[in-house]
Amino acid sequence: DIQMTQSPSTLSASVGDRVTITCRASQSIRSWLAWYQQKPGKAPKLLIYEASSLESGVPSRFSGSGSETEFTLTIGSLQPDDFATYHCQQYNTYPYTFGQGTKLEIK
Amino acid sequence: QVQLVQSGAEVKRPGASVEVSCKASGYTVTDYAIHWVRQAPGQRLEWMGWINAGNGNTRYSQRFQGRVTITRDTSASTVYMEVSSLRSEDTATYYCARVGLGLPFDYWGQGTLVTVSS
Repeated sequence: DIQMTQSPSTLSASVGDRVTITCRASQSIRSWLAWYQQKPGKAPKLLIYEASSLESGVPSRFSGSGSETEFTLTIGSLQPDDFATYHCQQYNTYPYTFGQGTKLEIK
Repeated sequence: QVQLVQSGAEVKRPGASVEVSCKASGYTVTDYAIHWVRQAPGQRLEWMGWINAGNGNTRYSQRFQGRVTITRDTSASTVYMEVSSLRSEDTATYYCARVGLGLPFDYWGQGTLVTVSS
């Protein structure tokens, strides 16, 4: 199985900050990577697909980059609604696998 | 609008089976696949398997092979997932999710909490 590793596991930041979350795959997944946002008690929400494509309706302060084994999610200027847990997911190879999540907390 | 509505929370004994349903609306159900993902407390999301709602073909994670069965009823626009031989480690929230055209999971159900406890 392809292992997905996110860093950091927890990130403390303030409204207005620019933050970056990293996701590494144990082998190449080309650009078949997605990012999701999840709030407590809710289902994940798709933010980014194919590593860098913004899902419809997602604010432009979210952006993704990377390919092969190294990927990043950047939030340009944190808003209060952005404090949540973020998950990366590879969908290049079955079984699809997820990172362990990054919890973004208010500093 | 696209919606996936799942059945309610369940409490089961170890060794029992549970079936979770996922009713789709707002799109042509047979045009898309439905996947199942679970999230145990404090654990990462875990992919379980999927069904092509059009032809009924399925694929399962090896980790759940033999214990998970995904079926669909196209007339009811509903997909079902059954997990058998439940153990305490199966306590989790189970989600159905649609795979969109060229997209990974673009719509998710609200989740169903399954608690396995003696």
